[in-house]
Amino acid sequence: EVQLLETGGGLVQPGGSLRLSCAASGFSFTKYSMSWVRQAPGKGLEWVSAISGNGDDTYYADSVKGRFTISRDNSKNTVYLQMSGLRAEDTATYYCTKDRTGYYAPIDYWGQGALVTVSS
Amino acid sequence: EIVMTQSPATLSVSPGERATLSCRASQSISVNLAWYQQKPGQAPRLLIYGASTRATDIPARFSGSGSGTEFTLTISSLQSEDFVVYYCQQYDNWPLYTFGQGTKLESK
Repeated sequence: EVQLLETGGGLVQPGGSLRLSCAASGFSFTKYSMSWVRQAPGKGLEWVSAISGNGDDTYYADSVKGRFTISRDNSKNTVYLQMSGLRAEDTATYYCTKDRTGYYAPIDYWGQGALVTVSS
Repeated sequence: EIVMTQSPATLSVSPGERATLSCRASQSISVNLAWYQQKPGQAPRLLIYGASTRATDIPARFSGSGSGTEFTLTISSLQSEDFVVYYCQQYDNWPLYTFGQGTKLESK
């Protein structure tokens, strides 16, 4: 059974930093790119960042480029999202996701989400 | 960036009736289109991929169609649990996904 478990959410002041972790299990982790998708309270879904299976390629939405860094540790089946320079508009539930086949595929599994609140 | 536009924002339909949700892409995405259902307090669930293929364990009352820039999600014979929010997503520009803004399906 595929499981994605996010940890690391919480309350942080504007300009602060936070690191989210996503522990994955139930599939061949290195075969799949992993993405983070966020959802602000009462709003829609926004793709944030993605990383290839071997970690060599990373991708970012313009809204977070230069502030967020995605990485993965394939020995621990874990993907990370390091967030810095946080703003109020980064307040959201952050979902860790995997795609369906590893290449040109939609998301098929989502974690339960980690809430990040940016407020003073 | 490929922009996805869903319509309407809110759709009111009676239980047992049919609902038709639309999604338009700003450029051709072939059939690289997925639909998700999101219930309150839960993560989204994949319903349809490849524009028309139902995901695992998705009931047959959910169907998708379209290609290029115009897509439709049809839910026949609406059940009470279907009155939630639906999103379309393009993966033609994988892994730079973009989502539509969502359609809320409400009971009339």
